[in-house]
Amino acid sequence: QKEVEQNSGPLSVPEGAIASLNCTYSDRGSQSFFWYRQYSGKSPELIMSIYSNGDKEDGRFTAQLNKASQYVSLLIRDSQPSDSATYLCAASYNTDKLIFGTGTRLQVFP
Amino acid sequence: DTGVSQNPRHKITKRGQNVTFRCDPISEHNRLYWYRQTLGQGPEFLTYFQNEAQLEKSRLLSDRFSAERPKGSFSTLEIQRTEQGDSAMYLCASSPDRNTGELFFGEGSRLTVL
Repeated sequence: QKEVEQNSGPLSVPEGAIASLNCTYSDRGSQSFFWYRQYSGKSPELIMSIYSNGDKEDGRFTAQLNKASQYVSLLIRDSQPSDSATYLCAASYNTDKLIFGTGTRLQVFP
Repeated sequence: DTGVSQNPRHKITKRGQNVTFRCDPISEHNRLYWYRQTLGQGPEFLTYFQNEAQLEKSRLLSDRFSAERPKGSFSTLEIQRTEQGDSAMYLCASSPDRNTGELFFGEGSRLTVL
C-alpha cells in the first residue's frame, strides 16, 4: 500500500513566522511530489511541485525533497493569516495519479 | 467559467438508493479523475480516464461504484445501493495530457446518506 503521511496538526504559528510542514512517503519508486493548499470548504489547489532532491523556491514558499529519507517538506516564510488552510502533500508513482496525505492544518494568528 | 464543473453540488439520499454525479472537465483536458474526501482526510483516489478509456480503478472501490466518460467529454460517477459509509465529498479533477501533477479540481459533490 503506497502511503503518504502527514501530521494532521493543527500547526499554529504567529504572523510573520516560518511555517514548516512535513511529509513522508512509503514508496521509493515515487517520482514527483506536490503540495496542494485547501481552504475550508474549498477544493485543493496546487502551490508547489518538486521532482529532484534539494530545494525549490517560489515566492514565500520553499519545497524540499530528500529521496534517501523519503521526506518532503514545505516552508512558508513570512506567514500570513491568509495562509491558514490545510496543506496536502501528494506523491505521484507514475504520471497518472496522485496519492494524497491526510493534510496538515495550518493556523496563522495575528 | 471554464473550470471543472460538478453537479449536483449537494445530494441527500436514503440508504439503498442510487445516486449519480456528473463532472464536466476543462475542455482541453484529456485526463479526468475522481477522488473521494471525508472530513479530516486527504482526497482518496477512485478512478481516472484518459479520454474515454478508464485506465485505473482503485481496489478500494466496491462494485457498487461505476464511472463512465462517454466520448471523452463529461464523466458520471454512479453509486448503487448507497450506504452511510458512502457519505463524503466526491471531487472531480482534470488535467492535460502532459500531466505535470497539477490537477484542476471542481468544487465537489457532497453526498449525505441517511
